[in-house]
Amino acid sequence: DTAVSQTPKYLVTQMGNDKSIKCEQNLGHDTMYWYKQDSKKFLKIMFSYNNKELIINETVPNRFSPKSPDKAHLNLHINSLELGDSAVYFCASSQDRSNEQYFGPGTRLTVT
Amino acid sequence: KNEVEQSPQNLTAQEGEFITINCSYSVGISALHWLQQHPGGGIVSLFMLSSGKKKHGRLIATINIQEKHSSLHITASHPRDSAVYICAFQGGSEKLVFGKGTKLTVNP
Repeated sequence: DTAVSQTPKYLVTQMGNDKSIKCEQNLGHDTMYWYKQDSKKFLKIMFSYNNKELIINETVPNRFSPKSPDKAHLNLHINSLELGDSAVYFCASSQDRSNEQYFGPGTRLTVT
Repeated sequence: KNEVEQSPQNLTAQEGEFITINCSYSVGISALHWLQQHPGGGIVSLFMLSSGKKKHGRLIATINIQEKHSSLHITASHPRDSAVYICAFQGGSEKLVFGKGTKLTVNP
């Protein structure tokens, strides 16, 4: 039973395309997150949702739009992909905002 | 300057050695997290602590709130401990702010 799952695991696409990454957690957690890990392996928060409500929105280009259809899912849609968007994107969840986080396996996005 | 500083950046040890990874941060925090990123890329939460000390198996995490410092210790290190260890703090906004990680290699 995978606790936090992401699809796809790998995504290769061309500049200018629009793509989505899906995340699902079966832990019954209230809070979900998207993180970006750059080529230097540095992790940074992008978004956080609590019970489907956006609570953290870091300085991220508005080409990135998270969507939470229910509290078990947090998807990330990226418009007009750029070379600099190439990274590994991790989804995570936690019981609430002050508990440990469980990470998904990551999605490696390569923009050519 | 990053708000979270980890040292060392890279660490090579022989199997069985006692290992310490340090983390310093510059702001008031509500919690400090230690994460492990495997060579395959997966990230696992090891500890979340706001005071004192926690132990899980061969891993021990300590935090000194006054000195804004935390340490992760690994006793009797093993090659399977080879990974990147990441320190992150949770401040007033409750978002995680990450260090750059410490790459640990344990040789047999």
